[in-house]
Amino acid sequence: QQQVKQSPQSLIVQKGGISIINCAYENTAFDYFPWYQQFPGKGPALLIAIRPDVSEKKEGRFTISFNKSAKQFSLHIMDSQPGDSATYFCAASLPVYTGNQFYFGTGTSLTVIP
Amino acid sequence: DSGVTQTPKHLITATGQRVTLRCSPRSGDLSVYWYQQSLDQGLQFLIQYYNGEERAKGNILERFSAQQFPDLHSELNLSSLELGDSALYFCASSVDAGGPREQYFGPGTRLTVT
Repeated sequence: QQQVKQSPQSLIVQKGGISIINCAYENTAFDYFPWYQQFPGKGPALLIAIRPDVSEKKEGRFTISFNKSAKQFSLHIMDSQPGDSATYFCAASLPVYTGNQFYFGTGTSLTVIP
Repeated sequence: DSGVTQTPKHLITATGQRVTLRCSPRSGDLSVYWYQQSLDQGLQFLIQYYNGEERAKGNILERFSAQQFPDLHSELNLSSLELGDSALYFCASSVDAGGPREQYFGPGTRLTVT
């Protein structure tokens, strides 16, 4: 059973546009929500992360929006660039004392067209 | 470069065989996590070790085992290999022990079972 549902599976955006990727979860015990970026042949790299006591976090062109009541969170990439073309994974983690393992979404393949 | 190293980069072996994947965490990180990435299952958590002890277990098959050594490097052992075990295997590390939650991923080992 997929603990974190991610959509869309793929996304094509024009350069300069906004890319939006959505994730939803069921387990209200999750307390840490990171986003990872993965290029072909590489390991996932941490992009940005948020905790459920915050509704929004912004780092450069990347913003996480978090809706605790809806159990949803999303990644917004502003001014998307061809170099942003990669696969993006959302994840959720249980409290550290249970192990801090991540439950990943199924990934979104983003293509930014020049 | 995340600071997490994994060897080997590629591994090709036959069904029924046994292989060992190796991971060295970032300097100072006490926790090591193993994940399996396949096309149909996405990124799946296998097992976590913290300072030499098993901390959490995920979807790890009985044919698979892992350990973390006193120098904190970890090995994932896969035995009686089947075609379906072909995947990318990632190791990640984190500080844990109440510190930052971020996990840093290595470049992965691509396992092909023929």
